[in-house]
Amino acid sequence: KAGVTQTPRYLIKTRGQQVTLSCSPISGHRSVSWYQQTPGQGLQFLFEYFSETQRNKGNFPGRFSGRQFSNSRSEMNVSTLELGDSALYLCASSLAVGGSGNTIYFGEGSWLTVV
Amino acid sequence: GDSVTQMEGPVTLSEEAFLTINCTYTATGYPSLFWYVQYPGEGLQLLLKATKADDKGSNKGFEATYRKETTSFHLEKGSVQVSDSAVYFCALSTVTGGGNKLTFGTGTQLKVEL
Repeated sequence: KAGVTQTPRYLIKTRGQQVTLSCSPISGHRSVSWYQQTPGQGLQFLFEYFSETQRNKGNFPGRFSGRQFSNSRSEMNVSTLELGDSALYLCASSLAVGGSGNTIYFGEGSWLTVV
Repeated sequence: GDSVTQMEGPVTLSEEAFLTINCTYTATGYPSLFWYVQYPGEGLQLLLKATKADDKGSNKGFEATYRKETTSFHLEKGSVQVSDSAVYFCALSTVTGGGNKLTFGTGTQLKVEL
C-alpha cells in the first residue's frame, strides 16, 4: 500500500511569507507527527495529531502550527518565515498512539528554502 | 529528559567489512528502540526495531539487540556493501502525554568504498 505522501517536495519562500505543507498518512493510520531536520539541530519533533487533536508538541515557537482533518490528512503551517526555518520537514504516521513498539513511518519530506 | 547518543561519523569502510555503529540511550520507563536510515535526498526509512529488553531486531543483514543493562542498541552488519552508504539514526520512542514521540540521535554517516 502507499506510504506517507508529502506535498510539495520542494519549495522556496521569502522571509516573512508563510507556508503550508501537506501530509497524507498511510491508509488506516490515524496518528500523524511532524519533524524538522536541519544540519545544525538534527531531527526535532514538532507536534503530533491523533483524531484531529494535538497530542504532543515540541519546543518550537507559535509560528509553527498544524492541524489534522477527519480523514487523518494533516497540514503544518509556518508563518512569518525566517531564514532559520530552511529545513527538511518530515511527516510520519502510525496506526495509533501509545503502545509498545508502535512503529512510526516517514514520508520523503518537504524541502523548504527561505531566502 | 530522553536522549540518544550515537558515535560520531563519518564512518568509512571497505566493501565486505564488518560494521558497528554504537548507540546508547537515556529514557524514563521502557522505550522502544529503532534504527532508521536516510539515503541522500530522501526521507527516513525504518531499518529495524526492538520493543523490549533482549529483543533483537534484524533486517537486510543488519541487527541490533536491546540491552537494558547497558542502555544500548548497537547496529551491526557482517558485510557491508556500497549500497549501504547512508546516514543511520538511532531513535527511541516513549509514550509522552498520551502520544508517541521519537527522540533521535545525531546520525552517523556511513561511507562504503570498493
